[in-house]
Amino acid sequence: DQQVKQNSPSLSVQEGRISILNCDYTNSMFDYFLWYKKYPAEGPTFLISISSIKDKNEDGRFTVFLNKSAKHLSLHIVPSQPGDSAVYFCAASGDGNAGNMLTFGGGTRLMVKP
Amino acid sequence: DTEVTQTPKHLVMGMTNKKSLKCEQHMGHRAMYWYKQKAKKPPELMFVYSYEKLSINESVPSRFSPECPNSSLLNLHLHALQPEDSALYLCASSHPSGSVNEQFFGPGTRLTVL
Repeated sequence: DQQVKQNSPSLSVQEGRISILNCDYTNSMFDYFLWYKKYPAEGPTFLISISSIKDKNEDGRFTVFLNKSAKHLSLHIVPSQPGDSAVYFCAASGDGNAGNMLTFGGGTRLMVKP
Repeated sequence: DTEVTQTPKHLVMGMTNKKSLKCEQHMGHRAMYWYKQKAKKPPELMFVYSYEKLSINESVPSRFSPECPNSSLLNLHLHALQPEDSALYLCASSHPSGSVNEQFFGPGTRLTVL
């Protein structure tokens, strides 16, 4: 059973508009959430994270929102740029995981059109 | 230095070959990880080393053998692999404790087993 889900396999957005990527989780023991960006044939690059004691974290054009009651988080990118086109993975960790495990979602491919 | 390096970048091997993948980081991280990633799938955790000791083995077949010679190096020894083992192998590192768990990934080794 997937504990972290990204229900949209792909998303297409016009340059300059907002991109919203969603992630849902089922394990209430998760207390730290991360977003990674991945280009083809490269390793994932850490983008932004949020602790469960917060509901929002912002870093430049990237903002992550966490709704603990709904077990839902989202990544907002504004304004979107063509260079943002990549696969975005949501990941979660917490006391429910042994060791230092991250549980990844299946990824969402973002395409930003010029 | 905020980089995780992996060598080789590409590897093609036969099912009877023995080869090794190498990973190095100089960020002072004491947790290191091996992941396997198939196309259009999220990274799957294989092994976790914490303070140079194997702490997690996610039921990986014995044809994959990890080694952590020191706090900066992580190897993955490969022997008698199967074609279905072809994948992108990612190394990552992080601080080993606490819920803050940004893992930094290397670029990966693209492995093809013939």
